[in-house]
Amino acid sequence: SQKIEQNSEALNIQEGKTATLTCNYTNYSPAYLQWYRQDPGRGPVFLLLIRENEKEKRKERLKVTFDTTLKQSLFHITASQPADSATYLCALEEYRFSSGSARQLTFGSGTQLTVLP
Amino acid sequence: EAGVAQSPRYKIIEKRQSVAFWCNPISGHATLYWYQQILGQGPKLLIQFQNNGVVDDSQLPKDRFSAERLKGVDSTLKIQPAKLEDSAVYLCASSFLAGSYNEQFFGPGTRLTVL
Repeated sequence: SQKIEQNSEALNIQEGKTATLTCNYTNYSPAYLQWYRQDPGRGPVFLLLIRENEKEKRKERLKVTFDTTLKQSLFHITASQPADSATYLCALEEYRFSSGSARQLTFGSGTQLTVLP
Repeated sequence: EAGVAQSPRYKIIEKRQSVAFWCNPISGHATLYWYQQILGQGPKLLIQFQNNGVVDDSQLPKDRFSAERLKGVDSTLKIQPAKLEDSAVYLCASSFLAGSYNEQFFGPGTRLTVL
């Protein structure tokens, strides 16, 4: 069966360190992988998208890697700040229909990150 | 640019009652999604609309859930009758399918508690 697994435990790190979150998947062949941030009481907010033929993507202090052989994505936040504390969700995008018009996201359960001052 | 609007933000009902949620997507977004997010889990897709047509509702419990998107803009999601296990946050999202890019914009969600 298809499965997406993120860090099973909440992650606590010290301010200024690099946070690394993992997303592993099985029985998927995703065209894209996306990362979202979710704060308590709010909807997820898109952060980064990486395509299957890309190895790495960067945006400011964020970096995402995508290894389709290992079936894994790593999400890094460098120089972490307390404001980075949130739940981070990875999501796989697949074409569900031959027409390609239905692109759907399947989300992992998220990793709760706390950056300690 | 205005974001995705949802109402109400919170709803408490007794089991077997009915409830409806409303969503107004970002202007110009053709695709609208309803997700269910149970505490501690990621969002789970319930239904996807393209304009006012249903693209996928394979995970929608159709015996009690229904959704519509009239005129390809606003959408409502209804539960009738509600069960205890329907307690969750219901998220609406929209996207503009430009090329192959599919960033989704989420609303704040409606937190439903079924007693």
